[in-house]
Amino acid sequence: AAGVIQSPRHLIKEKRETATLKCYPIPRHDTVYWYQQGPGQDPQFLISFYEKMQSDKGSIPDRFSAQQFSDYHSELNMSSLELGDSALYFCATSPGGRTYEQYFGPGTRLTVT
Amino acid sequence: AQSVSQHNHHVILSEAASLELGCNYSYGGTVNLFWYVQYPGQHLQLLLKYFSGDPLVKGIKGFEAEFIKSKFSFNLRKPSVQWSDTAEYFCAVAPFSGGYQKVTFGTGTKLQVIP
Repeated sequence: AAGVIQSPRHLIKEKRETATLKCYPIPRHDTVYWYQQGPGQDPQFLISFYEKMQSDKGSIPDRFSAQQFSDYHSELNMSSLELGDSALYFCATSPGGRTYEQYFGPGTRLTVT
Repeated sequence: AQSVSQHNHHVILSEAASLELGCNYSYGGTVNLFWYVQYPGQHLQLLLKYFSGDPLVKGIKGFEAEFIKSKFSFNLRKPSVQWSDTAEYFCAVAPFSGGYQKVTFGTGTKLQVIP
């Protein structure tokens, strides 16, 4: 079965650079969620989109922005990167409506040096 | 807003021992409950979920969880653990709402199974 696809899987950036992470949902999933998991920490919700509109916002820094496109894929844009942004970034998707489980992608490991 | 607490941060068991990981949540309304597992170096995977109906939910790999509404609990159990169950386990809750959900995770429990 198709799964959530995230790219790239690994990314190394320097401080103050920008990064773009991409998430491609499972077919017919219209809801996308972004999470940040720091080393040894639980996943922290960043932001979500439902039907291409922002549906909820968590602890997402102002330096980050995200959007969902017409094909339901989503991109997380991160600017002015800081060392503390080094983490695993998960995307999860769900079909919305009555089903509420999220399927997680493999994550993008971002390292800021 | 909902919150989730997992009481055990680190659990060490011998193979064949029984497992029970505690999870309590706080939310005033109807919730959906989940347990996720994260094996070392891997992404989160859904173990089991509760939406409605039978409060005893069976998941993959022999795991089960029981939803006790009066106690706001959703404890994860397995009668006999294996070394391959070594992983981090996250309890999560989402309010039952239309359109979309926001999942709140607990802080996780690291399970180490000793051969």
